[in-house]
Amino acid sequence: QLQLQESGPGLVKPSETLSLTCTVSGGSISSSSSFWGWIRQPPGKGLEWIASISYSGSTFYNPSLRSRVTISVDTSKNQLSLKLSSVTAADTAMYHCARGYYSSSRWYHFDFWGQGTLVTVSS
Amino acid sequence: EIVMTQSPATLSVSPGERATLSCRASQSVSSSLAWYRQKPGQAPRLLIYGASTRATGIPARFSGSGSGTEFTLTISSLQSEDFAVYYCQQYKNWPFTFGPGTKVDIK
Repeated sequence: QLQLQESGPGLVKPSETLSLTCTVSGGSISSSSSFWGWIRQPPGKGLEWIASISYSGSTFYNPSLRSRVTISVDTSKNQLSLKLSSVTAADTAMYHCARGYYSSSRWYHFDFWGQGTLVTVSS
Repeated sequence: EIVMTQSPATLSVSPGERATLSCRASQSVSSSLAWYRQKPGQAPRLLIYGASTRATGIPARFSGSGSGTEFTLTISSLQSEDFAVYYCQQYKNWPFTFGPGTKVDIK
């Protein structure tokens, strides 16, 4: 069974860069039937897709965050990473990593999710 | 960007009753539509993909229908674990977008 576990600092200062890691177990991050993504959820609010990356390295970003976001994969560690720069209080949220189903050059639903890590932006 | 809307925002239902949730897309997403259930303090769980296909391990009381811009999630007989928030999500076009959610609570 695929498992995803997010990790990173729970508190980040305004204007700094938020860095998160998602460790994948029970499967390979290089699987050709997978893509990976980050989704966040501000406290008491809905879900917002941030970015996704395929096994081959193709990336897609939410236009509202594109200028501040970098998603990457470390295949040697079976990890997914997220960097979000110049954070403000509006970036306070639970950050989830998720696996998406990928087939025939098409990107589908997210079928495995991590429990999430809460990041608070505050001085 | 495809905007997803959901109605109602809150649905009050008695255990054992049927719940019908709606999701609308601002433009056609064909059948590229997923439904998720999120219980308090937990990650979302995939219920339905392809608008109508139940995910692995999802009981038959959950059914999805629709295509294009109008979609429905039906829970035939609500169990205690179904009182939660439900989100729809389109994966037809980037950026992937979620609806604002429907909270199903106990009547």
